[in-house]
Amino acid sequence: AQTVTQSQPEMSVQEAETVTLSCTYDTSESDYYLFWYKQPPSRQMILVIRQEAYKQQNATENRFSVNFQKAAKSFSLKISDSQLGDAAMYFCAYRTPLGEGAQKLVFGQGTRLTINP
Amino acid sequence: ETGVTQTPRHLVMGMTNKKSLKCEQHLGHNAMYWYKQSAKKPLELMFVYNFKEQTENNSVPSRFSPECPNSSHLFLHLHTLQPEDSALYLCASSPLDRGLNEQFFGPGTRLTVL
Repeated sequence: AQTVTQSQPEMSVQEAETVTLSCTYDTSESDYYLFWYKQPPSRQMILVIRQEAYKQQNATENRFSVNFQKAAKSFSLKISDSQLGDAAMYFCAYRTPLGEGAQKLVFGQGTRLTINP
Repeated sequence: ETGVTQTPRHLVMGMTNKKSLKCEQHLGHNAMYWYKQSAKKPLELMFVYNFKEQTENNSVPSRFSPECPNSSHLFLHLHTLQPEDSALYLCASSPLDRGLNEQFFGPGTRLTVL
């Protein structure tokens, strides 16, 4: 079974600085998808960034980028120019297909990110 | 209304009560999911529905009973719950597509079992 590990329960960063959240996963599959989700204090989980395993190029979305190391099974999230609105729980997730198009997401334990003004 | 909505947002119930959680998605998706989020634990997938058919039951106790009358609505019926069932219950939906499509989440129902 796939597992996802986020080894940093809490992180903090000064506003405008850069922070990296780590994520490792375990799988025997070669083709899969990885996601970072953000859950602000209001609780609605939203997608931050996603990566297809067969793509070597790291995904970027504005101030968010990933460092995807397939051989090491590592998928870290870098947030540049941190803003107060980035404060949230961040979840790394691994997606496997369930057949017929439905998905199964396996989540890590989450990292609580605090932004210090 | 757009996205994924859940009602109620908060629910307090006794162990002998029967209640239901409701989820509705306005995104035209055909797959819907129930997750349980407990403190200090990863999100746990509970149930998956695919075109109204349940395709996954992640060893969930029978005191949780899902219902999916159509691809836009998903219910979670609760009866004789235990205090350890207190958690945030999240609903999500996604397209039935093998491409890189994400799951969209609702705001959750905070359940407290007394």
